[in-house]
Amino acid sequence: AQTIHQWPVAEIKAVGSPLSLGCTIKGKSSPNLYWYWQATGGTLQQLFYSITVGQVESVVQLNLSASRPKDDQFILSTEKLLLSHSGFYLCAWSPGGNTLYFGEGSRLIVV
Amino acid sequence: GQQVQQSPASLVLQEGENAELQCNFSTSLNSMQWFYQRPGGSLVSLFYNPSGTKHSGRLTSTTVIKERRSSLHISSSQTTDSGTYLCALGTGGNNKLTFGQGTVLSVIP
Repeated sequence: AQTIHQWPVAEIKAVGSPLSLGCTIKGKSSPNLYWYWQATGGTLQQLFYSITVGQVESVVQLNLSASRPKDDQFILSTEKLLLSHSGFYLCAWSPGGNTLYFGEGSRLIVV
Repeated sequence: GQQVQQSPASLVLQEGENAELQCNFSTSLNSMQWFYQRPGGSLVSLFYNPSGTKHSGRLTSTTVIKERRSSLHISSSQTTDSGTYLCALGTGGNNKLTFGQGTVLSVIP
């Protein structure tokens, strides 16, 4: 069975500090991977997607970047956090069809 | 304008009552999914239903493409059904899901 794990579960970070959120998928080779973000009280938005190692497409510009260093790993990061980065970040994978499976999410509070 | 609109925004039910949640979309779709968002934020996939009717226990999803709508019916609601229900429209070739704002359901005993 496939599993998806996100880390950290939650973080409180200062404005201007760096951020790295991780996502690992086990049990599935070459999955399509996605990052979604939800501001508090807001709508989920797709940020990035990747269909293969080393290749990432940006969907929404939020002064964030993403990388896929391994087949089963997707990283979301920034050098300098903004207050507007606060929210809930969800990683998802797809076997290539139209169904997405989400991780448990990482909650970020920027102060 | 907004591609995906959900209604109602919130709903309060007495335990045992039925609920009908609506999702209307303004563009053609590749897929339609319904999710339950737990209070902690994680998503549980309820249905992948690009067309027709699907059943799962007390839940029924119906998508009518030509009318650009999808619905989620919850029968005999329970307090554990409380939470946010999201529909998501799949468009384009990158599995991009456009989410609705959600319906917040509260089931009281």
